[in-house]
Amino acid sequence: EVQLVESGGGLVQPGGSLRLSCAASGFTFSSYWMHWVRQAPGKGLVWVSRINSDGSSTSYADSVKGRFTISRDNAKNTLYLQMNSLRAEDTAVYYCARDRGYYDSSGYYTSAFDIWGQGTMVTVSS
Amino acid sequence: DIQMTQSPSSLSASVGDRVTITCQASQDISNYLNWYQQKPGKAPKLLIYDASNLETGVPSRFSGSGSGTDFTFTISSLQPEDIATYYCQQYDNLPSYTFGQGTKLEIK
Repeated sequence: EVQLVESGGGLVQPGGSLRLSCAASGFTFSSYWMHWVRQAPGKGLVWVSRINSDGSSTSYADSVKGRFTISRDNAKNTLYLQMNSLRAEDTAVYYCARDRGYYDSSGYYTSAFDIWGQGTMVTVSS
Repeated sequence: DIQMTQSPSSLSASVGDRVTITCQASQDISNYLNWYQQKPGKAPKLLIYDASNLETGVPSRFSGSGSGTDFTFTISSLQPEDIATYYCQQYDNLPSYTFGQGTKLEIK
């Protein structure tokens, strides 16, 4: 079964750090780009970060740039999100998602988040 | 940055109704748009990719259309299990992936 399972969420004080993990199974993890998407309580989906298949390229939303670091260990089939200098506004459910995109005939990378984890809750509060 | 504007933000309809949600991009995004369904307490699920392609295993009552700046998501005959929040997402402006604000669909 194709599956993503997040862990590592919890309660942390403002300014603190947390590392989220996303364990992948049932597919060739090293072949896919991966993402983190978050959702604050009662709010919509917000893309956070992306990493390419071999980990050589990453990108971030402006709201987390310089504070969050995405990484992956293809030998362990695991995606990570290191979150530093956490703020109250980072409080959210964090989802990891697989991107089954590909480069089309014009060389453009098409994207679709086709597999999602169940999410892990991060609460930043004193 | 590309902004995605979904409307309506909420919608109440009866079982069997045809339901339409629109998503407007702030600039031309070709067909680089996906639609997701999120049921309460659950992770999102991909329904439509590249504006009009139905994801494998998704019922055919769901469809998408549009290109450029204006997109439409349609449920041809609303079923009780379709109660959820629906999001559009653009991926034209990589590496930024912007979601719409969501449309909450309820049964009347």
